[in-house]
Amino acid sequence: EAQVTQNPRYLITVTGKKLTVTCSQNMNHEYMSWYRQDPGLGLRQIYYSMNVEVTDKGDVPEGYKVSRKEKRNFPLILESPSPNQTSLYFCASSLSVPTYNEQFFGPGTRLTVL
Amino acid sequence: KNQVEQSPQSLIILEGKNCTLQCNYTVSPFSNLRWYKQDTGRGPVSLTIMTFSENTKSNGRYTATLDADTKQSSLHITASQLSDSASYICVVSANTGGFKTIFGAGTRLFVKA
Repeated sequence: EAQVTQNPRYLITVTGKKLTVTCSQNMNHEYMSWYRQDPGLGLRQIYYSMNVEVTDKGDVPEGYKVSRKEKRNFPLILESPSPNQTSLYFCASSLSVPTYNEQFFGPGTRLTVL
Repeated sequence: KNQVEQSPQSLIILEGKNCTLQCNYTVSPFSNLRWYKQDTGRGPVSLTIMTFSENTKSNGRYTATLDADTKQSSLHITASQLSDSASYICVVSANTGGFKTIFGAGTRLFVKA
């Protein structure tokens, strides 16, 4: 089954404790992206990757890091999480840039930073 | 500034009734507009996509319209079902060098029995 998977689905952590949220897709998509979704706001892009070893900042990259060492994986790293990073996070992938291609979203990761 | 605004924020309707959700955008230069459905606890799933030259697109009981002149789109749901309860998100893409995609905040639809 073609899908985007994220782990963990739920995470509660404390300020300053490094964490990684994994994302994997099995559709051989070139483009992958991370979004955060907060109440009353549209999804906001954190980082995106056009292909392996090619990553770039989205609209809200502060406090986040990513890497794209393999085509299928695109982990999101929070080096020192803070309470304002409490949010619902979505990983998405598409064949190429989402301007022209449908994005497929993962199930989401709900992160709480205390 | 590129923006996508949706209305209403939330809507409650009875099962079997029709409803229409609105999306206004200021994204330029316009490339395409998608409507996504997001069930609670799930990621968004694409319903329809329309380019500049298309003014209507259907997907089962969902019909999207686009007026590129007034920069407005609507999503009409016919004969609503309980499973239509979800958030509906309007997403507009710009044809710029940065390939910008802007998400609306969504309309939360509740269908009651």
